Amino acid sequence: GDSVTQMEGPVTLSEEACLTINCTYTATGYPSLFWYVQYPGEGLQLLLKATKADDKGSNKGFEATYRKETTSFHLEKGSVQVSDSAVYFCALSGPQGAQKLVFGQGTRLTINP
Amino acid sequence: GAVVSQHPSWVICKSGTSVKIECRSLDFQATTMFWYRQFPKQSLMLMATSNEGSKATYEQGVEKDKFLINHASLTLSTLTVTSAHPEDSSFYICSAGGEGHEQYFGPGTRLTVT
Repeated sequence: GDSVTQMEGPVTLSEEACLTINCTYTATGYPSLFWYVQYPGEGLQLLLKATKADDKGSNKGFEATYRKETTSFHLEKGSVQVSDSAVYFCALSGPQGAQKLVFGQGTRLTINP
Repeated sequence: GAVVSQHPSWVICKSGTSVKIECRSLDFQATTMFWYRQFPKQSLMLMATSNEGSKATYEQGVEKDKFLINHASLTLSTLTVTSAHPEDSSFYICSAGGEGHEQYFGPGTRLTVT
């Protein structure tokens, strides 16, 4: 079945450091790919998404590119802030309107000032 | 927009009792809602997909008689954990389907069964 594998955490960085959180997937067909973020005490929020190969999703300085050839959707940010501390989840959903999401295990990110 | 609420945010109950968790889409109508379970430091596991006006579709390994789901309206789905046991203690999260593949998540409900 479909699956998502994320880089294991926790990840601790200093403010203004570069961030990459790796995400690879296994799926039949061409899924849509997502990054969700869960801030402390809050529900998951959609951070960015890409629905087809070579699409780049971006939001709040974060980017991820849908790479079909490597089945990857790595999350990147050039300069992280303390407020980026959260748990990040990579997820996929099936094509053609199927909404069921499959999540990776989550990566806890802590940014120190 | 696209706010989903859950009630209660946390609940403690005794073993053998039943607990109902509500999930509401506050500013949009959702024909499909999803229920997830999240164990500490682990990912979300989809339990079931709830469609308004029809029976829920449960994932493999999820007991439908234990986790009763009702989606009575386009803005409300409920999850009832029946005859709860300590192993049912977990963080339960709902989401409501938006346009396309997007889902909007509630803040979650922490259930502790003593």
